[in-house]
Amino acid sequence: ETGVTQTPRHLVMGMTNKKSLKCEQHLGHNAMYWYKQSAKKPLELMFVYNFKEQTENNSVPSRFSPECPNSSHLFLHLHTLQPEDSALYLCASSQGTRVGTGDYEQYFGPGTRLTVT
Amino acid sequence: AQTVTQSQPEMSVQEAETVTLSCTYDTSESDYYLFWYKQPPSRQMILVIRQEAYKQQNATENRFSVNFQKAAKSFSLKISDSQLGDAAMYFCAYLRGSNYKLTFGKGTLLTVNP
Repeated sequence: ETGVTQTPRHLVMGMTNKKSLKCEQHLGHNAMYWYKQSAKKPLELMFVYNFKEQTENNSVPSRFSPECPNSSHLFLHLHTLQPEDSALYLCASSQGTRVGTGDYEQYFGPGTRLTVT
Repeated sequence: AQTVTQSQPEMSVQEAETVTLSCTYDTSESDYYLFWYKQPPSRQMILVIRQEAYKQQNATENRFSVNFQKAAKSFSLKISDSQLGDAAMYFCAYLRGSNYKLTFGKGTLLTVNP
């Protein structure tokens, strides 16, 4: 595997289900990100992890719970979601988070298409 | 807050022709970075080209080039010799020099006609 991978690619879940999205990066990066991409809206940054520590929570509802066990893996645990949470969830990684050092470019995974019924 | 505006929801171009996608941004910062990302139907977001605001020279990557007008806060993408594989959603993005937060525009859907 190369780059950033995400599983599953498609997920349909009921509002009472619990599911998890997985992201893995094979680039040796230290920072990982979760984005939400909804139709007709710009990408929204949800969470940022740098060296396994969460450095950003962009006012995301608690029904979304991220987990970063190491710099290569990032999870998004989903619980009691709403239909409006249906979207494409993108994971990204970068070498670091400090702009100006050449390590700021973010590389994206293919996304998980989530449908909440 | 920074905003990125892509005023063209959709564009089309004939194969082998040239097309320009528009992007404007609003910022009070002097240190920032601009990007164009491409998202084909397979959904993988790919970095196409980047521009550092402190550089006056416009970035070029093969058939892709930008027209960066810092005073006008404009950052357009020109695709030359368009190919069918260029068909995708194109996103303009802004990165402030002091942090890692990318701000994206809403995107322009590019169709390439054979």
